[in-house]
Amino acid sequence: EDKVVQSPLSLVVHEGDTVTLNCSYEVTNFRSLLWYKQEKKAPTFLFMLTSSGIEKKSGRLSSILDKKELSSILNITATQTGDSAIYLCAVPNNAGNMLTFGGGTRLMVKP
Amino acid sequence: DAGITQSPRHKVTETGTPVTLRCHQTENHRYMYWYRQDPGHGLRLIHYSYGVKDTDKGEVSDGYSVSRSKTEDFLLTLESATSSQTSVYFCAAQIAGGETQYFGPGTRLLVL
Repeated sequence: EDKVVQSPLSLVVHEGDTVTLNCSYEVTNFRSLLWYKQEKKAPTFLFMLTSSGIEKKSGRLSSILDKKELSSILNITATQTGDSAIYLCAVPNNAGNMLTFGGGTRLMVKP
Repeated sequence: DAGITQSPRHKVTETGTPVTLRCHQTENHRYMYWYRQDPGHGLRLIHYSYGVKDTDKGEVSDGYSVSRSKTEDFLLTLESATSSQTSVYFCAAQIAGGETQYFGPGTRLLVL
């Protein structure tokens, strides 16, 4: 059974801080790892990391995949209050048609 | 939003009544999913569909049924709602050959 664990469970920082969120996984056959951001509504897609694309960056957000350690990190630099959200990590199953989600990390950025 | 809508967006119902939630997508995605999200449990898969009339159970399917008679619509039915089914329900869709799922806006269901 595929498994995804995220840490920390929650995090409170001040604007301008840099944060690192962690995701570790166990899968039968690794295909990819996805990061989502969820504010007070539906999860929205951030990044997909694969064996051929282990690093992604978009503005102040970046993510790295460590296949040896079976983990990924999501970095947010110069945090803003708008970064406050739950960040979810997920991995697809062997067939690529189902995702297993981690429990999420709740980030709160204070002004 | 990948063209995914859900209805209703909010619903209050009583224990024992049937409830149907609708997910509609306009992008011709092959795969569609129903999740529930609860504090402390994250997103859990209820049922999914890999084509018209093709559905399968997810992790927490007890008490739920689904139907997909058209590519664009995926219905989730609670035959007899219970208070434990109070939750936020998300529909998602994924294109064939891809692995990224796109989510609808969610339905907040309260069972009294």
